[in-house]
Amino acid sequence: GNSVTQMEGPVTLSEEAFLTINCTYTATGYPSLFWYVQYPGEGLQLLLKATKADDKGSNKGFEATYRKETTSFHLEKGSVQVSDSAVYFCALNPKAQGAQKLVFGQGTRLTINP
Amino acid sequence: GAGVSQTPSNKVTEKGKYVELRCDPISGHTALYWYRQSLGQGPEFLIYFQGTGAADDSGLPNDRFFAVRPEGSVSTLKIQRTERGDSAVYLCASSSYGGSTDTQYFGPGTRLTVL
Repeated sequence: GNSVTQMEGPVTLSEEAFLTINCTYTATGYPSLFWYVQYPGEGLQLLLKATKADDKGSNKGFEATYRKETTSFHLEKGSVQVSDSAVYFCALNPKAQGAQKLVFGQGTRLTINP
Repeated sequence: GAGVSQTPSNKVTEKGKYVELRCDPISGHTALYWYRQSLGQGPEFLIYFQGTGAADDSGLPNDRFFAVRPEGSVSTLKIQRTERGDSAVYLCASSSYGGSTDTQYFGPGTRLTVL
């Protein structure tokens, strides 16, 4: 089946630290991969995506590379800010015929201290 | 432009009652999705509409759950004989055409509490 496993949180870092949130997936085909973010008091919003192997998604200083060989899509940022504090969700769309659902990981809560 | 809207934002009901949750997608989006998010978990897929028809309802947990989208725009998720285990945040999302690379835009959710 299709599933996503994320690094367990919560993660607490100091401002300007390097961030990695690990995400690995299991899928029967070649899914599209997504990172969504949920800021405090707000709804889920797309952070970045990659639709095929070796694609790199990037947005707001965050990056993630679709690695088919390791079935991973780790989220990275070189220098985090307090405003990056949020819950981050890795997700896949399995690209199965007639099924366009997103399969989410459990989420990783990130807190950045000034 | 306007995003996905959901009403009500909060709903408290008693066990055994019937509830309806409404989703208003982004104008022009043909695909609409419902998810359920329990505390501390990621959203779980419930149902996907392409236009007026339910293209995939494999995530509906049982026959107490039903959803409609009669005119291909607004959707209503209906839950009969609610149980305490139905308490969760119900999320609606829409996308322009429903493809596997298409971005899904989420609403703020309806928090359902069953007492």
